[in-house]
Amino acid sequence: NAGVTQTPKFQVLKTGQSMTLQCAQDMNHNSMYWYRQDPGMGLRLIYYSASEGTTDKGEVPNGYNVSRLNKREFSLRLESAAPSQTSVYFCASSHQTGRNGYTFGSGTRLTVV
Amino acid sequence: QKEVEQNSGPLSVPEGAIASLNCTYSDRGSQSFFWYRQYSGKSPELIMFIYSNGDKEDGRFTAQLNKASQYVSLLIRDSQPSDSATYLCAVLNTGNQFYFGTGTSLTVIP
Repeated sequence: NAGVTQTPKFQVLKTGQSMTLQCAQDMNHNSMYWYRQDPGMGLRLIYYSASEGTTDKGEVPNGYNVSRLNKREFSLRLESAAPSQTSVYFCASSHQTGRNGYTFGSGTRLTVV
Repeated sequence: QKEVEQNSGPLSVPEGAIASLNCTYSDRGSQSFFWYRQYSGKSPELIMFIYSNGDKEDGRFTAQLNKASQYVSLLIRDSQPSDSATYLCAVLNTGNQFYFGTGTSLTVIP
């Protein structure tokens, strides 16, 4: 039982390059989330998917797009990376209401140069 | 006003002591409260959650809610060096939105 799996774990991009962060969960959760974590800023929600087929913007969606491919998978795409997107990215999942909390993936450390 | 606020610390306690971490929340109608532990370079790990109907004890950890003052606390008894981490408080508010505090850094000194 892997929980929430994220790939890649590390990535260095040049400004303007694109990439997709992959996330998959095997807990039969309905809801999935993408966060970024920066020093002193805490966890900030980028996008979320309350259920398969739906996606919504979070607190900091600019510069990102998402796809809920199926119930298990939720990807985050950076179309044209900027140095301000240097961060640690976490995918998380939960049951529909989140009342039992979120389960996080191991994270992706992204550096944009 | 932030939805969830924590003192960033650092908080240092000697091994074997009680560590007390607190956070305040702004939405009075919030129903669910969570404590996550995050080791340096790792992802947040859920250690406890409570609903608005009561406190909870799990081993050395106790989570308490003070609804009148709108704060949640986490007590760690018999603190161990392995408890050294950043502790994130999170709240599920009345709009079913999940908010995290910025975390409190705890160091347990052997």
